[in-house]
Amino acid sequence: NAGVTQTPKFQVLKTGQSMTLQCAQDMNHNSMYWYRQDPGMGLRLIYYSASEGTTDKGEVPNGYNVSRLNKREFSLRLESAAPSQTSVYFCASSGGGAGANVLTFGAGSRLTVL
Amino acid sequence: DQQVKQNSPSLSVQEGRISILNCDYTNSMFDYFLWYKKYPAEGPTFLISISSIKDKNEDGRFTVFLNKSAKHLSLHIVPSQPGDSAVYFCAASPTGTASKLTFGTGTRLQVTL
Repeated sequence: NAGVTQTPKFQVLKTGQSMTLQCAQDMNHNSMYWYRQDPGMGLRLIYYSASEGTTDKGEVPNGYNVSRLNKREFSLRLESAAPSQTSVYFCASSGGGAGANVLTFGAGSRLTVL
Repeated sequence: DQQVKQNSPSLSVQEGRISILNCDYTNSMFDYFLWYKKYPAEGPTFLISISSIKDKNEDGRFTVFLNKSAKHLSLHIVPSQPGDSAVYFCAASPTGTASKLTFGTGTRLQVTL
């Protein structure tokens, strides 16, 4: 099925460990995003990539790094995980033109940091 | 500062009745508004949108109303069905800038038999 694929779906880390969340889309979208969802907070933008080769900070970038590997793939890295990073992470993508504001989301990655 | 607010965390409606989900915003730069629907263990999916040049947009059972002067939008679902039970997120941004999309905290809708 066409769409946005995230891996892993679940991960448990200890404080200080590192990990990378992977995201790939097959809709030929230029823009990709990483959000986190916390209870009572809605979805908050961590980083985004407007096009291949560019990345920019969103609302809550501290503690994260991203890589736009190619047009399809956008990864999110936690270098030294902290309990405050326990959350559900969503990758999304969007196309241009009339679809520029409409995001297509992946199924999410639930991360627990102990 | 919550720029997009959904003040009702939950809503319960009987099957066949109308569901009305509300959303308020504070940023005057917002001129494009969307509703997303989210089932457990899935990502949000786009439902319906409206730009500020309109005050109503319909798509089947779903209608979004925009009141710019009150900075308020609402989503009407008629008739409500059990499959509509989900969390609904309101989102807003300046047109064409998805990187500035701001989400509300969501309203959990339960449609009962």
